Amino acid sequence: ETGVTQTPRHLVMGMTNKKSLKCEQHLGHNAMYWYKQSAKKPLELMFVYNFKEQTENNSVPSRFSPECPNSSHLFLHLHTLQPEDSALYLCASSRVQGALPQPQHFGDGTRLSIL
Amino acid sequence: EDQVTQSPEALRLQEGESSSLNCSYTVSGLRGLFWYRQDPGKGPEFLFTLYSAGEEKEKERLKATLTKKESFLHITAPKPEDSATYLCAVSGSSNTGKLIFGQGTTLQVKP
Repeated sequence: ETGVTQTPRHLVMGMTNKKSLKCEQHLGHNAMYWYKQSAKKPLELMFVYNFKEQTENNSVPSRFSPECPNSSHLFLHLHTLQPEDSALYLCASSRVQGALPQPQHFGDGTRLSIL
Repeated sequence: EDQVTQSPEALRLQEGESSSLNCSYTVSGLRGLFWYRQDPGKGPEFLFTLYSAGEEKEKERLKATLTKKESFLHITAPKPEDSATYLCAVSGSSNTGKLIFGQGTTLQVKP
């Protein structure tokens, strides 16, 4: 399997549920990212991990909890979400190479709906 | 504050009708500008990286150019399969890999 794979593709959950999104990359990259994409809004960066260490938290509410056990896997743990959290959640990965930013490669996302 | 603005928001072309998409940016210390294509129900697909003003990249019917204030994505003789949303993103002086995205241009090419 190649590229960036996200599971599940669709998720419907109640506001009191706890669920997790999973992302796996097979590109040999060492940086991973979570983005939120809402209708009519630009992609919004949530978290960045470089070599398994979190280097960016873009003021994300604590009801979103990321986990990066190794450079190939990234999770987003969800609990007590709000209806406004319904969106497409995208995972991406990239190489960290020298001073120039490298392109990020995206999965197809998890479509999350909060009831 | 770093900002990216794409125009137009939507564009309808006839097959073969060439046009350009614009990406204007304000960023502290541009380190790179990226173009992506996104199809409905899919994640963004990487197209080009531009690192410095004057740089150009080409791929099939697409050509991306960069100045100190904006980037253009030129589409020559488009086909219906070029229909998609095109996203522009910039990386600034922060070295955490943070990308600032524009809201995208949705292109529809009619046969």
